Amino acid sequence: AQSVTQLDSQVPVFEEAPVELRCNYSSSVSVYLFWYVQYPNQGLQLLLKYLSGSTLVKSINGFEAEFNKSQTSFHLRKPSVHISDTAEYFCAVSYMFSGGYNKLIFGAGTRLAVHP
Amino acid sequence: NAGVMQNPRHLVRRRGQEARLRCSPMKGHSHVYWYRQLPEEGLKFMVYLQKENIIDESGMPKERFSAEFPKEGPSILRIQQVVRGDSAAYFCASSPSPAGGQETQYFGPGTRLLVL
Repeated sequence: AQSVTQLDSQVPVFEEAPVELRCNYSSSVSVYLFWYVQYPNQGLQLLLKYLSGSTLVKSINGFEAEFNKSQTSFHLRKPSVHISDTAEYFCAVSYMFSGGYNKLIFGAGTRLAVHP
Repeated sequence: NAGVMQNPRHLVRRRGQEARLRCSPMKGHSHVYWYRQLPEEGLKFMVYLQKENIIDESGMPKERFSAEFPKEGPSILRIQQVVRGDSAAYFCASSPSPAGGQETQYFGPGTRLLVL
């Protein structure tokens, strides 16, 4: 069965410091990988996704993630965080069922707290 | 183009009452997914619907929970005879098509259900 593990439940970091949020998945089939961000009392917003091609994908606000097939990882990084990056980050795996549709399997989330 | 709409945003029910959660997908989207987020956990898939059809309800509890997506109107997630363990955030997502797992799901702001 597919599963997603986010190794850190909370990550405190100072403003302008680099950060890495770790994500590992288990799957025996090809998957598509997503990072979503959830600000307090809001829904999830897509941050970035890996479907195919280049293993390094980037978002418009400075985040990037690298798909590593051999390590089954999709870690999220940002070289310099801002206070406004404080949120919960969810890694998710999408895989296709025989009926041609996909389901998202989510990790438990990592709460990023950026301090001044 | 309005995003995914959910209402109510907050819902308080006493044990034994019914909870009815509504989701209007993005314009042009005919695929709806419901997820549940328990406190301190990631989102868990509940059900996937297309217009007038339930495609996959493998994540739905066998009793008291039902979902529909009629030809006209929003998708409804209905919980009968609520219990305290039903307290959670319920998120709806939509996509224009399953697209073999590559399609991004767009999430609504969620309904936070509290059962007293």
